[in-house]
Amino acid sequence: DAKTTQPNSMESNEEEPVHLPCNHSTISGTDYIHWYRQLPSQGPEYVIHGLTSNVNNRMASLAIAEDRKSSTLILHRATLRDAAVYYCTETLNSGGSNYKLTFGKGTLLTVNP
Amino acid sequence: GAGVSQSPRYKVAKRGQDVALRCDPISGHVSLFWYQQALGQGPEFLTYFQNEAQLDKSGLPSDRFFAERPEGSVSTLKIQRTQQEDSAVYLCASSLEGGHSNQPQHFGDGTRLSIL
Repeated sequence: DAKTTQPNSMESNEEEPVHLPCNHSTISGTDYIHWYRQLPSQGPEYVIHGLTSNVNNRMASLAIAEDRKSSTLILHRATLRDAAVYYCTETLNSGGSNYKLTFGKGTLLTVNP
Repeated sequence: GAGVSQSPRYKVAKRGQDVALRCDPISGHVSLFWYQQALGQGPEFLTYFQNEAQLDKSGLPSDRFFAERPEGSVSTLKIQRTQQEDSAVYLCASSLEGGHSNQPQHFGDGTRLSIL
């Protein structure tokens, strides 16, 4: 299965922007890029997703490269509550109507006060 | 509204015992997924249901793993004759529709299974 590649860890200061990169060089043309984040002892939480165009929501922005082989999750002003493991995932069509998520190891984001 | 609920939150079993893990998805969600997450790793896909139909079970590690969703809502993941390598967090996720890769998945907080 295709897997994404992310840095193991990143650090940021509170109130500063954070850019989390992801490589997904084997993504197919119709599969979306999803981002989730996970706090300790909790399940992953949906952050944002996109196909080709850049996307914005109340949590973050997603910038997708023109060739779709990489993307960047942007947290505009990091807070202590944003400290988590961030996963960039692809949806993989395993046949029929199943679009399962394929996760890598994610990026552990530390936010300093 | 209520999110995805999983029970129990923690389960300890002796090697060789059978266990059953329950998932209550968000009401009305068509799609239901099970994932397995080992310590320090991202979740790995196990199986997928669209309503009551199990459309993909390619991620189940062995025939000791069995999942069902008989009425298209609650799902149970059963592991028979548990082994130590089954120790992991088992996550359930649901999404509103089936067959669309633009559907966010909503995860429960998982069941942490420890096999002694």
